[in-house]
Amino acid sequence: SQQGEEDPQALSIQEGENATMNCSYKTSINNLQWYRQNSGRGLVHLILIRSNEREKHSGRLRVTLDTSKKSSSLLITASRAADTASYFCGEGGSYIPTFGRGTSLIVHP
Amino acid sequence: ETGVTQSPTHLIKTRGQQVTLRCSSQSGHNTVSWYQQALGQGPQFIFQYYREEENGRGNFPPRFSGLQFPNYSSELNVNALELDDSALYLCASRFSAGATEAFFGQGTRLTVV
Repeated sequence: SQQGEEDPQALSIQEGENATMNCSYKTSINNLQWYRQNSGRGLVHLILIRSNEREKHSGRLRVTLDTSKKSSSLLITASRAADTASYFCGEGGSYIPTFGRGTSLIVHP
Repeated sequence: ETGVTQSPTHLIKTRGQQVTLRCSSQSGHNTVSWYQQALGQGPQFIFQYYREEENGRGNFPPRFSGLQFPNYSSELNVNALELDDSALYLCASRFSAGATEAFFGQGTRLTVV
């Protein structure tokens, strides 16, 4: 299994703005997953995108996947203070998610 | 709520001691993974159990061991605790080894002094 690496490490925005975070990985994947972690808590599954998909939406979340560049992005539109959390991408090819350091998102009210 | 519970929530141990952390998975989830998350880092995969057998392991020494029981509960045991073992320990269960979505517990915060 391999790690995803998220970028940027930290992101600070105002409520209502969009937040974009990126993930890069090194080898082929079957799917890529995004998780959210509130401070010191467990991870919550947000969305999964399969290797044959290029874009996926779920509510205010939009995920893209570019397998040629081995990268994915997570867009949160119209952010809210409650979106403040760390976001991780995980490669699911081996069905054992492994994670990078995450992007720490702070949304100011 | 994910239906995965961990106990205890916080724990302080002394270097050299042994510790057992517990996880109760969702009913029917036969796969459980354990992760270590140091402060400011992402979760690092320790090992995975499928139907009570270890079927995957990360880069952790043998003093990290586990058990999975038929009642969907599991344990992580750490012997000879070191200061660097201080971290948040997370368990995550899945419906099967091939399932893509993992359900995480809230974690156990272990401090080794």
